[in-house]
Amino acid sequence: QLQESGPGLVKPSGTLSLTCSVSGGSISSFYWNWIRQPPGKGLEWIGFTHRSGRTAYKPSLKSRVIASVDSSKNQVSLRLNSVTDADTAVYYCAKWSESMRAYDIWGQGTTVTVSS
Amino acid sequence: EIVLTQSPGTLSLSPGERVTVSCRASQSVESRSLVWYQQKSGQAPRLLIYGAFNRASGIPDRFSGSGSGTDFTLTISRLEPEDFAVYYCQYYANSLLTFGGGTKVEIK
Repeated sequence: QLQESGPGLVKPSGTLSLTCSVSGGSISSFYWNWIRQPPGKGLEWIGFTHRSGRTAYKPSLKSRVIASVDSSKNQVSLRLNSVTDADTAVYYCAKWSESMRAYDIWGQGTTVTVSS
Repeated sequence: EIVLTQSPGTLSLSPGERVTVSCRASQSVESRSLVWYQQKSGQAPRLLIYGAFNRASGIPDRFSGSGSGTDFTLTISRLEPEDFAVYYCQYYANSLLTFGGGTKVEIK
C-alpha cells in the first residue's frame, strides 16, 4: 500500500516536498515513481528512484526535481523546486513492476496547489 | 523521445457497445513495454493491460489489447456501466516513460 503526504499548498518559487509511505512490502527491491496530473488533464511522468540511488527524470523537469528512497523509514520522497502554477496537480507515487513494465500499485494521490 | 497519440479523445457510447481505443507511437516500439490503464473520476489509475495484450490480475476478459510496431488498440467487447472512465496508454524505454493523452469513454 502506498500513501502520499505533504503540504497541499506551496507558494510560487517555493519547493514542493512530498513523501510516499510504503507499507506491506519491501521498499528495497523496486523502482518507485512519481506521476502527476494537472486538474482536468492527463498523466505526466515525473521520474523514478531506487534504493541503489539510481534515478531518472522527465527531461523538462530534470533541473528542478529530486526523488529518493529512505529504506529506514520505508518512504519515498519527491522534491520539486522553483514551482509555478503549472505545477499544480494531483501527485501520485507508484510502484514499478519490472516484469510487467508497468505500475501495478498506485497511491491514492495528493493534491498540491501552487498559489500565493 | 517517443510520443503516444491516442484517438479519439472522447467516445460517447451506450452500455453493451464495443469500444476501440487507439494508441499510436511516433516510432516503432517494443510491444512488451506498451501498457494500458483505466482511470475513474477521482481515483488513481488501474493497470489493465501490459505487454500490449496481457490482462493484469483481476481484469475481466471483456478487455483486450492488440497491436505492434506503432499502432496499438484497447478493445472493450461489451461496455459495462463501470467501464465509463478515461483510458491511457503508456510506454517505457531507456529510462524515459510517456503516457498518451487519454481517451474518455462517456455515457451517451
